[in-house]
This record gives sequence, C-alpha cells and structure tokens, in this order.
Amino acid sequence: AQSVTQLDSQVPVFEEAPVELRCNYSSSVSVYLFWYVQYPNQGLQLLLKYLSGSTLVKGINGFEAEFNKSQTSFHLRKPSVHISDTAEYFCAVSDENDSSASKIIFGSGTRLSIRP
Amino acid sequence: DTGVSQDPRHKITKRGQNVTFRCDPISEHNRLYWYRQTLGQGPEFLTYFQNEAQLEKSRLLSDRFSAERPKGSFSTLEIQRTEQGDSAMYLCASSLRLAGGSDTQYFGPGTRLTVL
Repeated sequence: AQSVTQLDSQVPVFEEAPVELRCNYSSSVSVYLFWYVQYPNQGLQLLLKYLSGSTLVKGINGFEAEFNKSQTSFHLRKPSVHISDTAEYFCAVSDENDSSASKIIFGSGTRLSIRP
Repeated sequence: DTGVSQDPRHKITKRGQNVTFRCDPISEHNRLYWYRQTLGQGPEFLTYFQNEAQLEKSRLLSDRFSAERPKGSFSTLEIQRTEQGDSAMYLCASSLRLAGGSDTQYFGPGTRLTVL
C-alpha cells in the first residue's frame, strides 16, 4: 500500500520569499507523483506531475518539484511567492503499475499562507 | 472544454434525509472518480467508473452510498439516511484513460455537504 506524508501542516512565508513544501511517500512499487493546489472553496488544480524522465519537474505558477527516489521525496519549491499563492497544497501518489484504477492517494495537505 | 462541474455546490440537510449529487465530467473523458474530503484532510478515494461500469469501490463507501453513471457521461452519488459523519466535501474528477498510458485527473469544485 502507498502512503504520503506532508511534514508541515502549515507554512507561513513572507511575500517574495522562497518556499519549500515537503512531501515523502512510501510505496513498494514504482509510482507517479503529483502536486495539487486547492484555493479556498474550490476544487483541486494540478500543479505538476512526475511520470518518468527528468527528476526536476516544472509546473504552473512558477512551481517546480524534484523527485528523489533514494529519499522517497517529492518536495515542491518556488523561488519567490506571491500573495495569490495562498492555498492548500496536496502531494499525491498513484501506482505506476495499476492498470485498473489509477486512484490517487493524497497527503493531508500543507496550508501555505503568504504574509505581505 | 468547460471542465468538471458539480451540482449543487452546497447542500445542508437534516440527519436521516437522502441527498443526491451530480457530476458532469469533461466531455471526452472515459473515467470518472468520486472522492470525499473532510476538514483538514486530503481527498479520499470512494469509487470510480470507466464509461458506465463501476469498477472499484472503497471500503469507505458504506451501503448507504450508491453511485451511478448510466450513460457513461454524468454521474450521481446518492447518500441515504445521512449521518453527521457524512458531512464533508464530495469531489468528482474525470480523466481520459488510454490503453497503456497514464491519465491525469481533473477535479470539479466539489459539493459541500453539511448534515445537521
């Protein structure tokens, strides 16, 4: 079974500062990895995904994440945050070899709050 | 492409009543998923359809829950005899699953259910 751990439930950051949201996963099989963002009262929007290839993945809104297989991590980074980045961020994993459901296992989320 | 839509966005009901939610996926998508998200947690998988066939159900989906996708397009999720523990955000997602490939799930805005 897979699981996802987001180590920080809340991350406060000043505007224009860099940010890193941490994510570790556990799985006995190869996985796909995702970061989703959820703005207040909205559904989830895909930020970026890792399927294969380059371990550095670039997503929307200036975010990027790096897949580290040895550390089973997929941390999300942005070099300079904006007030509009205030949201809940979810790391997620799915089984690469799951030919049936491809259901996604989500972490518990990290609330990013940007201070002016 | 208008995205995934869900109706209603909010539902308040009394304990013991039945409720039904609707999800309209992106038009060409063959897979449709239901998730439940409680406060402070990431979404949890409930069930999914490939076209009109319901292929997997989570143990979270008790006998009071039923989902349908009669024509392989929109889907409904019904909860009978609601309980206060059913209060949550119910999220729908859809994807286009091709043979041998991975698929990206696109989420709707969710239906927030409050059971009094």
